[in-house]
Amino acid sequence: AQKVTQAQTEISVVEKEDVTLDCVYETRDTTYYLFWYKQPPSGELVFLIRRNSFDEQNEISGRYSWNFQKSTSSFNFTITASQVVDSAVYFCALSEHSGYALNFGKGTSLLVTP
Amino acid sequence: DVKVTQSSRYLVKRTGEKVFLECVQDMDHENMFWYRQDPGLGLRLIYFSYDVKMKEKGDIPEGYSVSREKKERFSLILESASTNQTSMYLCASSPFGQRASGNTIYFGEGSWLTVV
Repeated sequence: AQKVTQAQTEISVVEKEDVTLDCVYETRDTTYYLFWYKQPPSGELVFLIRRNSFDEQNEISGRYSWNFQKSTSSFNFTITASQVVDSAVYFCALSEHSGYALNFGKGTSLLVTP
Repeated sequence: DVKVTQSSRYLVKRTGEKVFLECVQDMDHENMFWYRQDPGLGLRLIYFSYDVKMKEKGDIPEGYSVSREKKERFSLILESASTNQTSMYLCASSPFGQRASGNTIYFGEGSWLTVV
């Protein structure tokens, strides 16, 4: 069975601080896909990244970066120099096949204050 | 752009009513999903479908049914709504076997259902 754990329920930081959101997953599959989504207060899910299990390269996109480590089954997300607009709930998710149903973590609520 | 449209953004229904939540996607995707989102519980899969007239139970199917008569439409049905089904419901679709990088699952804007 697949499982995604986001141990941090809520995080509060002051603007310009760096923040890391943790994601630990469990799966028996050798091929799988990991995702991060952002959900702002308006409610829509915004896709951030998808990572395939056979690609362990870390990725950076502007202020966002992702650290994928198969050895520890973790796929952590770091926001550098956080901004108020980063305030949202962030979900990590796992899928065993491309396009198949996602197993979501419970989400981490990030609050960035001025 | 892929569009997943949920028919109602906000609904208020009475206990015992039959409720239909409709979802339509315009990209000819094979797969469609219904999730329920509750605070502190994340998104939980209710039902999914990998083809027309096919349906599979997700993690929390009790109290729900689905219908997929056409490829583009996936309906979630609450046969007899109860207050514990007050929640936000999210529909999603995806193409089958997409191996390219990037996003593969597209979500609607969500339907906020209140059962009183």
